[in-house]
Amino acid sequence: KQEVTQIPAALSVPEGENLVLNCSFTDSAIYNLQWFRQDPGKGLTSLLLIQSSQREQTSGRLNASLDKSSGRSTLYIAASQPGDSATYLCAVYTGANSKLTFGKGITLSVRP
Amino acid sequence: GAVVSQHPSRVICKSGTSVKIECRSLDFQATTMFWYRQFPKKSLMLMATSNEGSKATYEQGVEKDKFLINHASLTLSTLTVTSAHPEDSSFYICSARSSSPNTGELFFGEGSRLTVL
Repeated sequence: KQEVTQIPAALSVPEGENLVLNCSFTDSAIYNLQWFRQDPGKGLTSLLLIQSSQREQTSGRLNASLDKSSGRSTLYIAASQPGDSATYLCAVYTGANSKLTFGKGITLSVRP
Repeated sequence: GAVVSQHPSRVICKSGTSVKIECRSLDFQATTMFWYRQFPKKSLMLMATSNEGSKATYEQGVEKDKFLINHASLTLSTLTVTSAHPEDSSFYICSARSSSPNTGELFFGEGSRLTVL
């Protein structure tokens, strides 16, 4: 059974810092991995999708990497801003028609 | 990215009534939609997988007679909470996977906050 872990559960950093959010998964036979952002009381916004054959994806100040063999992914946020404050979830997809397995998320607070 | 619209965003109802939540894929066709429930400060719990034109597949522990799911078209799935009780109060989120191209990327709705009095 696939398990996804995100540690720590919460993180507080000053504005401007570059930071790394970690995600680990137990079964390396994944189809893809997706990073999401969730603001309080809102749905999920897809940030980056990495296919199993890819090693990283970039969008603006965000860069996500994937190391399937070690069961790890990182989300790198450059020059963090208060507007980046949210919960970041990673989820892995282990087959063409199977379910997404979510981590519990990391709640990020960026202090002005 | 693709847009998934969920309606209503908030609903308050009396105990014993039924509530319907709609999930629409606005700019793509979705053969598969998923319904999640999220408790405060917890991750998402998958309730069921909805496939267009067939019966939904429910996760273990989810009452299919309580949470009715209908996926009648490639752009619409509905979740009906029947005879709602206060313990059904929660945040419900739907997601949809585009049928073409099948990258596996999921897009989520904005969620529906249900409060049962």
